[in-house]
Amino acid sequence: KAGVTQTPRYLIKTRGQQVTLSCSPISGHRSVSWYQQTPGQGLQFLFEYFSETQRNKGNFPGRFSGRQFSNSRSEMNVSTLELGDSALYLCASRSTQGAWGYTFGSGTRLTVV
Amino acid sequence: KNEVEQSPQNLTAQEEEFITINCSYSVGISALHWLQQHPGGGIVSLFMLSSGKKKHGRLIATINIQEKHSSLHITASHPRDSAVYICAVFTGNQFYFGTGTSLTVIP
Repeated sequence: KAGVTQTPRYLIKTRGQQVTLSCSPISGHRSVSWYQQTPGQGLQFLFEYFSETQRNKGNFPGRFSGRQFSNSRSEMNVSTLELGDSALYLCASRSTQGAWGYTFGSGTRLTVV
Repeated sequence: KNEVEQSPQNLTAQEEEFITINCSYSVGISALHWLQQHPGGGIVSLFMLSSGKKKHGRLIATINIQEKHSSLHITASHPRDSAVYICAVFTGNQFYFGTGTSLTVIP
């Protein structure tokens, strides 16, 4: 059974650009959530999608957005990149809303220069 | 103010030692989670708790809802337990995370 796949693994972008990260969940998992991890702030919750609908949202500005497709794959977009957006972005999938059993991907390391 | 506080921040133990990591939170929660993160970033979900105690192998997690406190215990620690352990709480609509406890187990 394949795990959670995040692409790309590494990314370097320039300030002001935008970026799209992809997450393919475990087959059959309908929930995908996104997290940002930085040395200064630690792990922070971005948002969660379930069956193509955003269910929960953390405290991030509107530059951070996401979506989920009918096959449960999810994308996260960050517009107008800032240096502080440099982080490890993790996604996790689970089978049903309200349950744990999260499986995390290996993350996308974004560097903004 | 952080919604989730963990202690200690860093912990070094000898192999076979009994280890305790503590987590206190200030928000109402529907569940508390313990995560393990190894160097390189991979995160593994260890436990989800809403009450009482859970055990998995050498790992034990407890929660006291009234005191808003949880502990993660590792019995007979082993060098492969070396990792960062993160406490996370789910309020019903979002997660808050502790800053993690970096554990090093020395042979």
